[in-house]
Order: sequence, then C-alpha cells, then structure tokens
Amino acid sequence: QLQLQESGPGLVKPSETLSLTCTVSGGSISSSGYFWGWIRQPPGRGLEWLGNMHYSGSTYYNPSLKSRITISVDTSKNQFSLKLSSVTAADTAVYFCARRNYASGNWGFWGQGILVTV
Amino acid sequence: QSALTQPASVSGSPGQSITISCTGTSSDFGGYNYVSWYQQHPGKAPKVLIYDVNNRSSGVSNRFSGSKSGNTASLTISGLQAEDEADYYCNSYTSSNTWVFGGGTKLTVL
Repeated sequence: QLQLQESGPGLVKPSETLSLTCTVSGGSISSSGYFWGWIRQPPGRGLEWLGNMHYSGSTYYNPSLKSRITISVDTSKNQFSLKLSSVTAADTAVYFCARRNYASGNWGFWGQGILVTV
Repeated sequence: QSALTQPASVSGSPGQSITISCTGTSSDFGGYNYVSWYQQHPGKAPKVLIYDVNNRSSGVSNRFSGSKSGNTASLTISGLQAEDEADYYCNSYTSSNTWVFGGGTKLTVL
C-alpha cells in the first residue's frame, strides 16, 4: 500500500527557508504514471496547491509563489522535497504531500500532513 | 490565481440529498475534465471522492456523484448520513497548467 510521509522542522523563523521532505513507500517515485505535489492548509482555512513535479524533472508551481518555491526529487531515496524561501507568518500551515495520476485530476494519495509555524 | 467559488456551508437532514457547487471561469477549468472533489474530516488529510468530473474513487459510496455543466461543477450527496459531516473541496486543472482548489464547503448533517 502506497504511503507518503512528510518530515521537517515544525518551526521556521521569518525570512528563512522552509524545507520539507516527502518520503514515498510502497511504490516508486520514478514511475512515469504519476505527479508528486505539495498542498498546504493554513489553520482554519482552505487548501492551496503549491506545485507538483514529475520524476523526469518537469515542475509546475503556483504563480503566487513562483519566485519562492522549489520542488525537487531524489530518486535514490524515493523522496521529493519542498523549499519555500523568505517565509512570513502567512506561510504558517499544515503542509501535505500528495500523488496525482498522470492525465487525471485524481490526487489519490496524501500524506498525513505536517504543521509548520513561522 | 483565485480559488474556485463554493458555498461556505450547506446543511441537510439524514436521508436527504444535497448539492455543493463549484464555480469558476473557463480558464479555471482549462478545457479539461480534470475536476475532483475531496472530503476532509477535522485533523485529517483530504480524501478523494470524485475525480475527472464524475468518476468515483475506489471504495467511495455510490451516494456520492459528480457532474459539470459549463463553468460549474457539482457534487451531490444522496441519503445523507451523520458521517458525511465534513469539509468538501473541489479542485480543477487550469489553462495555465496549474491546479486550483475551491474555498471549501462545510457540510452539517442536522
């Protein structure tokens, strides 16, 4: 059974870089049939898509974050990562990693989420 | 990009049917049928109910159904049950190769 697990610091200082990792188990991140992405949810608020990537290297980002966000993959560790620079209190949120089927809108697998406070 | 528009809240009694709308622009829906719906209980990760407008995810009750007409997608829940009380979000692929969520709808089962 596929599982995704977010990890990283739960507290980040303003102006610093938020760094999170999503470890994938029960499946290969190198499968061509999927995209891997990050979605966040500020406390008491709705979901916001941050970006996603394919293991081949193609990445897509939310335009509102484009200058601050980087998503990368480490196929040797079966992990992908999120870096968000110059954070402010507005970046405080639960961050989820998730998998989407290629050529589909099905975000079918999600991690449990990790709360990051700025 | 702006969130898709959903009602903030809907309610219904057990056994009734409710519909949650999700409205955007033609660019928000990108000309594709990549609209999905997610259920989220407090403190939990979202769970996909419907993907690609009207495809029910594996294991999801047939009480949940999706549709789309023009720039409005809809999620219908029939035979409301107490465990359906949760937040619901729509999601769509846009013409800019990005994804956008709706603002979310809180469903209360009376």
